[in-house]
Amino acid sequence: GDSVTQMEGPVTLSEEAFLTINCTYTATGYPSLFWYVQYPGEGLQLLLKATKADDKGSNKGFEATYRKETTSFHLEKGSVQVSDSAVYFCALSTNAGGTSYGKLTFGQGTILTVHP
Amino acid sequence: DAGVIQSPRHEVTEMGQEVTLRCKPISGHNSLFWYRQTMMRGLELLIYFNNNVPIDDSGMPEDRFSAKMPNASFSTLKIQPSEPRDSAVYFCASSWGQQGRQPQHFGDGTRLSIL
Repeated sequence: GDSVTQMEGPVTLSEEAFLTINCTYTATGYPSLFWYVQYPGEGLQLLLKATKADDKGSNKGFEATYRKETTSFHLEKGSVQVSDSAVYFCALSTNAGGTSYGKLTFGQGTILTVHP
Repeated sequence: DAGVIQSPRHEVTEMGQEVTLRCKPISGHNSLFWYRQTMMRGLELLIYFNNNVPIDDSGMPEDRFSAKMPNASFSTLKIQPSEPRDSAVYFCASSWGQQGRQPQHFGDGTRLSIL
């Protein structure tokens, strides 16, 4: 079945440090890939997405590239801020059989804490 | 634009009571998802609907849990009777399309505490 594996957290960084959160997946067909962010006390928000191989999703300084050959979708940011402290989830959606109804398979989440 | 609206935001009740959580999806979305989030088990998909029809309820933990979607703009998740281990944050999300390329949009959740 489909699965998503994220790097274990928590991740603690100083402000302006470089961020990488690794995400690899196993899926049938051609999945779409997503990164969601969850701030304390809130629901998950879409951060970025990519729907086909070699696509790069980007938003708020975050980037991730859909790598079919390595089945990866690693999240990166060049300079993190304290306000980026949150939980980050990698997710995929497959189109198996032509109708997935948008069901997502999530990774376990990675807690990021950024110190001033 | 209005996002996914959940109510109540917080619910505290005693064990054995019936609990009803409500969700209004984004207008035009045709899929609706109910999740439960706890520290121990993370984010779990409970059930999802497409065009108001339940597609997969294999994540519903037991018969005490039930969900309905009487129309395209409203869904409920009911727990009867409630137990302390049901304490969690429950999220509703919606999306449109059937090809899986569109993201899900989440509500702010209902924080449920069963005493």
